[in-house]
Amino acid sequence: QQQVKQSPQSLIVQKGGISIINCAYENTAFDYFPWYQQFPGKGPALLIAIRPDVSEKKEGRFTISFNKSAKQFSLHIMDSQPGDSATYFCAVFNAGNMLTFGGGTRLMVKP
Amino acid sequence: DAGVIQSPRHEVTEMGQEVTLRCKPISGHDYLFWYRQTMMRGLELLIYFNNNVPIDDSGMPEDRFSAKMPNASFSTLKIQPSEPRDSAVYFCASNRGRVSQPQHFGDGTRLSIL
Repeated sequence: QQQVKQSPQSLIVQKGGISIINCAYENTAFDYFPWYQQFPGKGPALLIAIRPDVSEKKEGRFTISFNKSAKQFSLHIMDSQPGDSATYFCAVFNAGNMLTFGGGTRLMVKP
Repeated sequence: DAGVIQSPRHEVTEMGQEVTLRCKPISGHDYLFWYRQTMMRGLELLIYFNNNVPIDDSGMPEDRFSAKMPNASFSTLKIQPSEPRDSAVYFCASNRGRVSQPQHFGDGTRLSIL
């Protein structure tokens, strides 16, 4: 089955700093790469996604960078805030409508 | 607009008992997914349905697990008999079935098997 490797497993960042989470995949059935954000006691929610017809997508403080040849994509959170403290998952599509998720990164932003 | 609704939110039961988890997807969504989340294995897809029909159940761990979707607004995931290693958070998600459409997750059922 598809392997999606996400790093780091945990990350501590000072308020105002940049958080960077990386994701590497083997194969994808569909060129669409989402990141999900999960707060404790809640289900994951779509944060931002990219189609690789572009190498970068920015929405507010969140940016996805994509390297198709390396089969890698990353999430950058600029000006990180305590409210960004959550677990982040990258995901890759298998056949059909099936997502394989990375192992998750637990982000803590210190005030 | 109501999101995906799961019940119960928490379930504690003894080993060997039958457990039934319930999900109401977002109205109009034609895909429904069941996931399991554990510290060791992360977020795993168990089974998904399209228009109430199971499409891929290759993630269902054992025959003790079964899932049904009798209509477009209701699905169940059943474990019988339950075992302590089934303890996890179980999520239901739905979407409209275009790959680019986000999957909307419920808040999960935290299952503890004693």
